[in-house]
Amino acid sequence: SQTIHQWPATLVQPVGSPLSLECTVEGTSNPNLYWYRQAAGRGLQLLFYSVGIGQISSEVPQNLSASRPQDRQFILSSKKLLLSDSGFYLCAWSNRGQGLYNEQFFGPGTRLTVL
Amino acid sequence: GEDVEQSLFLSVREGDSSVINCTYTDSSSTYLYWYKQEPGAGLQLLTYIFSNMDMKQDQRLTVLLNKKDKHLSLRIADTQTGDSAIYFCARGGGATNKLIFGTGTLLAVQP
Repeated sequence: SQTIHQWPATLVQPVGSPLSLECTVEGTSNPNLYWYRQAAGRGLQLLFYSVGIGQISSEVPQNLSASRPQDRQFILSSKKLLLSDSGFYLCAWSNRGQGLYNEQFFGPGTRLTVL
Repeated sequence: GEDVEQSLFLSVREGDSSVINCTYTDSSSTYLYWYKQEPGAGLQLLTYIFSNMDMKQDQRLTVLLNKKDKHLSLRIADTQTGDSAIYFCARGGGATNKLIFGTGTLLAVQP
C-alpha cells in the first residue's frame, strides 16, 4: 500500500531563517506531487506541483521554492522565512495515467510557526 | 469571486442530517470530490461524483450534483460527533493535474 510522510510535524523558526520541509511517498512510482499551504486552518492554496523529477510548476509568486531530487521526494524550501510563511503545509500525491480522475492523497502536514 | 465557494460554518445536532453546499464557476471538470479534514490532520477523500451523474449515495453520504446551477452538495445522514471536521469540495482542473479546492466548511456537531 502507498504511504506519504512529511517531516517535521511541527516547526518554530525565526524570521529570516532558512526552511526545508520534506515529503516522501512510498509504494508507488512516478506520482504527481503537490505542496499546499493552509493558513488559519481554512482554505487550501496550491503552491507547487510536479509531474516528474526536476519538473516543478509554481502556482503563486512567493518566498518559497520546491525541488524534486528523486521520484518520490518533494522538498519545500525558503532561504529567508517571513512571518507570512506561517501555516499548515500539506504534501499530496496522485497517480498519473488515470485520465481526468485525480484523487489526491495527503500527508499528515507540517505546522510551521514563524516568529 | 472564488472559483469554488462554500459556506464557512455549519452547526447541527447529533442525529440530524447535515447538508454542506458548494458552488463553482468552471463546468469543465469531469469529476468533483468531497474531502474531510479532521483537526490538525491532512485531508482524506470521502467521495467523488462523475459529472454526468446527478446523485451518488455511499452509506450515510449522499452527493447531489446540479450541473445547470453548478451546485454540489454533500448530505450526511445521522450526523455523529465524529463527523465534526472541515469539509472541502474540489473539482478537477480539466486537462491539468490539479484540483481546485473550495474554501472549506467547518461542521460542528453538538451532542
